[in-house]
Amino acid sequence: DTEVTQTPKHLVMGMTNKKSLKCEQHMGHRAMYWYKQKAKKPPELMFVYSYEKLSINESVPSRFSPECPNSSLLNLHLHALQPEDSALYLCASSQVITSGGNNEQFFGPGTRLTVL
Amino acid sequence: QQPVQSPQAVILREGEDAVINCSSSKALYSVHWYRQKHGEAPVFLMILLKGGEQKGHEKISASFNEKKQQSSLYLTASQLSYSGTYFCGTVIQGAQKLVFGQGTRLTINP
Repeated sequence: DTEVTQTPKHLVMGMTNKKSLKCEQHMGHRAMYWYKQKAKKPPELMFVYSYEKLSINESVPSRFSPECPNSSLLNLHLHALQPEDSALYLCASSQVITSGGNNEQFFGPGTRLTVL
Repeated sequence: QQPVQSPQAVILREGEDAVINCSSSKALYSVHWYRQKHGEAPVFLMILLKGGEQKGHEKISASFNEKKQQSSLYLTASQLSYSGTYFCGTVIQGAQKLVFGQGTRLTINP
């Protein structure tokens, strides 16, 4: 199984809502990532988890809260988002994190988020 | 530290060749290449590590010039399925994160 799955595929939420994005992989990977991608732009790294511990936070606003309950699952909790947070949210995984990043990342299909 | 890709867009006819370039102002440890089709996830193509290696995979190959901190992706005898946006991702030495270039949109027409 070389697949990363993400749910939901689409999400529309108001600025006062609380919602969560879910990501799952069963490849035995120990590094998991959240990226944000705006239309016609490259993916931008948000968070990295290594062995279920938060390894990198790219100064993401606190209205985004990541969680890694186990080695296969990654969640992104959303609260009080702004319309400019509307984007495609991609999850990825790789075997491990190494200095130099020589491990390929497998991406999920993404959750398309619209904030009204 | 975002790498710079060129060209921004390419339009080809099926069977033609293309070269996409990626350059960095920082010393790189690795360069990753991904292709993303509209509405889909980025798909990994290949990684090149410092050492100036070249990799190939059917009609898609790439090189990494460590002295110039540049990588090039070569698409030979392009097929319709090659259409999409190509991203290079770079990891600077000592870092653990991948930073993507702005992308090159490749359109293959029959």
